[in-house]
Amino acid sequence: KNQVEQSPQSLIILEGKNCTLQCNYTVSPFSNLRWYKQDTGRGPVSLTIMTFSENTKSNGRYTATLDADTKQSSLHITASQLSDSASYICVVTDYSGGGADGLTFGKGTHLIIQP
Amino acid sequence: DTGVSQDPRHKITKRGQNVTFRCDPISEHNRLYWYRQTLGQGPEFLTYFQNEAQLEKSRLLSDRFSAERPKGSFSTLEIQRTEQGDSAMYLCASSFSGGGSYEQYFGPGTRLTVT
Repeated sequence: KNQVEQSPQSLIILEGKNCTLQCNYTVSPFSNLRWYKQDTGRGPVSLTIMTFSENTKSNGRYTATLDADTKQSSLHITASQLSDSASYICVVTDYSGGGADGLTFGKGTHLIIQP
Repeated sequence: DTGVSQDPRHKITKRGQNVTFRCDPISEHNRLYWYRQTLGQGPEFLTYFQNEAQLEKSRLLSDRFSAERPKGSFSTLEIQRTEQGDSAMYLCASSFSGGGSYEQYFGPGTRLTVT
């Protein structure tokens, strides 16, 4: 069964500090991995998408890494801001052709940035 | 076109009442998805459409739930005889199947509270 596990479940850091969120997956065959940011009461918004051949991708202060051999990804946030407070969801897609069953969602990491 | 929109954003209803939600996808997107999300969890797939055809339904979609996309544009999700367990965020997403990435763009969600 395809699974996506995220850690930690929640994290509190001070504004300006860096943090790293983890995602481990058992999805096969692998197509791509996305990180979404979801503000409270809002829909998820895509931050990065990585395919098998990519091992690092940046989007401003967000940097995602992918190790397809160990089936692990991380999302690193640099110089955190109060607006980074949100849930971060890891989503892995398999090669099922893009149907809804092709996406496996993690439960997310709830990040709180304190001033 | 500013993205996926959902209406209403919030709905409070009494147990046993029927509710209907609407989703307007990004205009050129031919696929439309409905998800349910409870607190602290990732989105759970309910159903999806390609154009006006409903192609997949999750086991989560009981007989009380029905979804339509009559003209291949907007979609409605109806819940009949609501139960307290139906309280959740209902997310809609859309994608274009011709591009290969199948990236889903989410709407802001409809928060349902059943009292």
